[in-house]
Amino acid sequence: EAAVTQSPRNKVAVTGGKVTLSCNQTNNHNNMYWYRQDTGHGLRLIHYSYGAGSTEKGDIPDGYKASRPSQENFSLILELATPSQTSVYFCASGDGQNTLYFGAGTRLSVL
Amino acid sequence: QQQVRQSPQSLTVWEGETAILNCSYEDSTFDYFPWYHQFPGESPALLIAIRPVSNKKEDGRFTIFFNKREKKFSLHIADSQPGDSATYFCAAESWQLIFGSGTQLTVMP
Repeated sequence: EAAVTQSPRNKVAVTGGKVTLSCNQTNNHNNMYWYRQDTGHGLRLIHYSYGAGSTEKGDIPDGYKASRPSQENFSLILELATPSQTSVYFCASGDGQNTLYFGAGTRLSVL
Repeated sequence: QQQVRQSPQSLTVWEGETAILNCSYEDSTFDYFPWYHQFPGESPALLIAIRPVSNKKEDGRFTIFFNKREKKFSLHIADSQPGDSATYFCAAESWQLIFGSGTQLTVMP
């Protein structure tokens, strides 16, 4: 069974709209991450969290907010979506021993 | 900004050949160097990793060679199989994991 579950798997949004990407993990890991994947850029870290109530900025946080209401859930929020945010987004949980476990990804298109 | 540079962007080899993927880094505080692979339509997953106390790590057909002095490390895939076709990401970590841009490997039968 998938231990890191993302929803939705696909999303089409309009420019200026609000988008929320959700992530749930059953690994009981303290650390959770949001990455975006674009051709030529690999995986770039947007936000991460060390536990419930904590969020930290990664390398490319502009235009994104994050929320970690519980150990299991970590959301990525685009308050005003722009076409440049069209991408594939991956959530991951970390076991504190350096290994990341990724969800299946969310393909977001902003028109 | 910390960077991890990866090359080549794409690589095609014949079945049975050794594929060599390369990465370099700048930050001397990095102390963990994993390789992740990602099959089409799937999510990245850890393949193999090394710490700087070693200069080589083997796991079956997959070997990491690490050169601390030159700040380079590479993944060698021996006896490449078509099932190895995937995108491979190197990464480096000190307090956070920084990924390279990926190498798309195609193994021709």
